[in-house]
Amino acid sequence: AAGVIQSPRHLIKEKRETATLKCYPIPRHDTVYWYQQGPGQDPQFLISFYEKMQSDKGSIPDRFSAQQFSDYHSELNMSSLELGDSALYFCASSSSSYNSPLHFGNGTRLTVT
Amino acid sequence: AQKVTQAQTEISVVEKEDVTLDCVYETRDTTYYLFWYKQPPSGELVFLIRRNSFDEQNEISGRYSWNFQKSTSSFNFTITASQVVDSAVYFCALSEEDTDKLIFGTGTRLQVFP
Repeated sequence: AAGVIQSPRHLIKEKRETATLKCYPIPRHDTVYWYQQGPGQDPQFLISFYEKMQSDKGSIPDRFSAQQFSDYHSELNMSSLELGDSALYFCASSSSSYNSPLHFGNGTRLTVT
Repeated sequence: AQKVTQAQTEISVVEKEDVTLDCVYETRDTTYYLFWYKQPPSGELVFLIRRNSFDEQNEISGRYSWNFQKSTSSFNFTITASQVVDSAVYFCALSEEDTDKLIFGTGTRLQVFP
């Protein structure tokens, strides 16, 4: 079965650079979530989108922005990167129609040097 | 406010032992969902189970079983006859009625030694 696809798997950036993470949800899933997991931490909710509109917002820094496109894929844009942004970034998707549980992608490991 | 507590930071067992991972949650909602996810060393988050607040039946799936008790706000996870491949961090999570957003516990690292 198709899963949530995230790209890239690994990303190395320098401080103050910009990064863009991509997420392709499971087909027919209309809701996308972004989570950030720091080293040794639990995943923290950043932001979610339903039908291309922001549906909820968590502890997402102002330097980050995200959107969901017409094909339901989502991108997380991160600017002015800081060392503390180094983390595993997960995207998850679900379907409001099928009341499905969240299924996570394999994550993007971002390292800021 | 909602909260998930996994008091066990790390558990070590020897293969074939049974092990129970504890999860205690807090929520004001009467309708909510509880989850368990597995995060192996490779890093992905693997969905294991979802249980809604109106279904207190225990569930068994192979070597895995879950015990949901609303009276104690607990949703514990037992692995029977543990195997080395069970070594991972296990997260318990909660979502409330009006959102699919997950609130995670801090995770329990399970190490199964041969």
